Order: sequence, then structure tokens, then C-alpha cells
Amino acid sequence: DTEVTQTPKHLVMGMTNKKSLKCEQHMGHRAMYWYKQKAKKPPELMFVYSYEKLSINESVPSRFSPECPNSSLLNLHLHALQPEDSALYLCASSPDRGETQYFGPGTRLLVL
Amino acid sequence: AQTVTQSQPEMSVQEAETVTLSCTYDTSESNYYLFWYKQPPSRQMILVIRQEAYKQQNATENRFSVNFQKAAKSFSLKISDSQLGDTAMYFCAFMPLNFGNEKLTFGTGTRLTIIP
Repeated sequence: DTEVTQTPKHLVMGMTNKKSLKCEQHMGHRAMYWYKQKAKKPPELMFVYSYEKLSINESVPSRFSPECPNSSLLNLHLHALQPEDSALYLCASSPDRGETQYFGPGTRLLVL
Repeated sequence: AQTVTQSQPEMSVQEAETVTLSCTYDTSESNYYLFWYKQPPSRQMILVIRQEAYKQQNATENRFSVNFQKAAKSFSLKISDSQLGDTAMYFCAFMPLNFGNEKLTFGTGTRLTIIP
């Protein structure tokens, strides 16, 4: 089973809203990732968690706040986003860092 | 820093034909993985195939195979007997096996359309 799930599938929010994206995997993977993908572009890495600790933050603005409550779950808290933050947000996991990453279906975010 | 180049922004091929997607990369690392991912219109990123740099044998997965030329830093994907479901954006990706720097670098993608 190589399934990573993400909720919600779609999200529309205003610039003053607070929302959260959720990612879950039950493969026993110890590394989890958030990517942002704009239309017709490749994914861009945002954050890497390894053994539930943040190991990479690619200079992402503080209006994006990741959280890893346990080894199966990864959240991305959103606050005061800008319209340019509208994108597909992909979550991925891998058995450990440096191993093959498996992606979830993504959350399409629209910021109005 | 690593770079991945996909020089074919778009390709199309008739159903059942064979198509080859090109990818070149630049790195000073000696130990790394290379991947092909496909992203159909549904937008889910799906792993197609993986190649370990230390392996001389080219990876194959059913109708998908790669031509890995390490000295030339080339990693092409061949899709045989193409099917309508192969229509997708294909991304080549590189990951160094360098502790603390195992980040996936993607190329810009090739949009492949299979014509019925």
C-alpha cells in the first residue's frame, strides 16, 4: 500500500481566514514533505519532516505553519494568505529521507 | 546545486506507438537516485520508475523503461505500446544521497498526449 491521503481536496479561503491542510499516511514512513505546485510548473519543496521533527524549511513565509503531531500525520496551517499562494499543495512521504517519495492527490487552494 | 533539464515541453504520439522522453541532469554527486513521475490531469503525482546511479542495469517497469547513461548524465524514459491513460505531464527528478541534502529536484516537465 503506497497511499498518502490529503484533505480537503479543494479549499477556497479569504485572505483573513485561518485554515488547515491535512496529510496522512499509514505506511510507517518516517519522512513527510509539503510541496507547492503552481500551474504548469514542477513542485517546489516547502518543508521536510523527519522522525516528526522539522528538518528542512525552504525559507517559506511564516503564514504557512507546518505541524507533525505524530508519525502518520502532517498538517499545514494557513493564515493571512495572499492570492499568489493559490496553488496545488502536495504532500509526500518516504520510508526515510533519501528514499523514494510517494505523493498524495493534493489540495487545490484558491485564495480570494 | 543540481539541475534537471527536460528539453521537450510537449510531445504527442499515436496510441500503441513507442515514445521516448528526454532528461539530462547536472551534478557533482556520485551517489544519487533518478526518477520519472507522471502527473495526469487529476494532478496526482505518480511514481513511474526509479534508477539508482550505482546500478548499471537500466530499470524497467512493465511498458516503461529507462536509458541511463551516467557519463553523459542522461536519463530518458521509453514508453512502449502507449495507452490513452499514459496522457500526462511527465517529470524527471533527481535526488542526491548526501546526508542532509536529500532534496528532490524536478525538471520542468514534458506534456505527453496519446492520440487515439
